[in-house]
Amino acid sequence: DAEITQSPRHKITETGRQVTLACHQTWNHNNMFWYRQDLGHGLRLIHYSYGVHDTNKGEVSDGYSVSRSNTEDLPLTLESAASSQTSVYFCASSESFGGINTEAFFGQGTRLTVV
Amino acid sequence: AQSVTQLDSQVPVFEEAPVELRCNYSSSVSVYLFWYVQYPNQGLQLLLKYLSGSTLVESINGFEAEFNKSQTSFHLRKPSVHISDTAEYFCAVSTGNQFYFGTGTSLTVIP
Repeated sequence: DAEITQSPRHKITETGRQVTLACHQTWNHNNMFWYRQDLGHGLRLIHYSYGVHDTNKGEVSDGYSVSRSNTEDLPLTLESAASSQTSVYFCASSESFGGINTEAFFGQGTRLTVV
Repeated sequence: AQSVTQLDSQVPVFEEAPVELRCNYSSSVSVYLFWYVQYPNQGLQLLLKYLSGSTLVESINGFEAEFNKSQTSFHLRKPSVHISDTAEYFCAVSTGNQFYFGTGTSLTVIP
């Protein structure tokens, strides 16, 4: 079965370190997204990609970067981790129909703690 | 830009009672509508979706939602809840190749 997987599931890192969260999907979807989930804020979009070599900033992109070298992977990098980036991170993928995204498929999430 | 409002952040309800979780969105331009459910320490799972056709959509576990274009609403209902329905529920709208999520409603089913 097709799936979308995130790794690691849990990560503790120190302030100032670079951290990369992995996201891999086997749906062959063109569209991939990174969100962070914080209490009271729901899901906030960090970065997204509509295809290989395409990346775009979301509403909370400061301090984060992504790259898309193939269809399956969209790694999220925290350039210099800050305590404000302690959160649960979700990766999602989808296909579009008529220019509108159909169902999003989510990974299980990565809980990141910055100490 | 689209916005999605879930008016109730927490909804407690007794087991076997009916429940309605409300969702309103800002624009009636061509949209797809979704409800997702999130159990503790898990990702979001699709509960049901409206893409086109009948405005009433149903899930396999008894939830239903109705697309109301004039009121720009997509409320989620279940006639009789079970303990296992305790979870966080997110309403989402897809338009212009973007997803917009509400802030979630925590449903707690009381025995």
